[in-house]
Amino acid sequence: EDQVTQSPEALRLQEGESSSLNCSYTVSGLRGLFWYRQDPGKGPEFLFTLYSAGEEKEKERLKATLTKKESFLHITAPKPEDSATYLCAVQGGSNYKLTFGKGTLLTVNP
Amino acid sequence: DAGITQSPRHKVTETGTPVTLRCHQTENHRYMYWYRQDPGHGLRLIHYSYGVKDTDKGEVSDGYSVSRSKTEDFLLTLESATSSQTSVYFCAIKAGTQETQYFGPGTRLLVL
Repeated sequence: EDQVTQSPEALRLQEGESSSLNCSYTVSGLRGLFWYRQDPGKGPEFLFTLYSAGEEKEKERLKATLTKKESFLHITAPKPEDSATYLCAVQGGSNYKLTFGKGTLLTVNP
Repeated sequence: DAGITQSPRHKVTETGTPVTLRCHQTENHRYMYWYRQDPGHGLRLIHYSYGVKDTDKGEVSDGYSVSRSKTEDFLLTLESATSSQTSVYFCAIKAGTQETQYFGPGTRLLVL
């Protein structure tokens, strides 16, 4: 059974204070690891897909990295508008289903 | 925006009544999904569809049924709603060559 654990559950940063969110996973044959952003009252918004260890992807102040056991979402010099819940999900080798973690609630104070 | 709409967006109902939620997409995607999201549990898959009349169960399918009579619509039915089915329900489609799922805006359901 695929499992995803995200840490910390909540993170509070000052504007400009860089940090990282962690996503640890166990999966049989990784087809993809996905990062989403979710704002209150809205559906998850796709950010990145990573497929193999060593892969990195960037978008504005966000950078996602992947190892064989975990992924990190690095946030550089965050702004208040980066405040959201960040979700991590994995897709295993033999199915079309995503398994999600419980998310990290990020708050960036001005 | 992946061209996904959900209706209704909010619903209040009573225990024991049937409820149907609708997911509509405009881009002929083959795969569609229904999830529920609850505090402390994250997003959990209820049912999914891989084509017209082709559906399969997810991890929390008890008490739910689905139907897909045409490509663009995927219906989720609670045959007899219970308070434990109070949740936010999200529809998703799988699009693109990277098998990414894109989510709709959600339906907030309260069962009294």
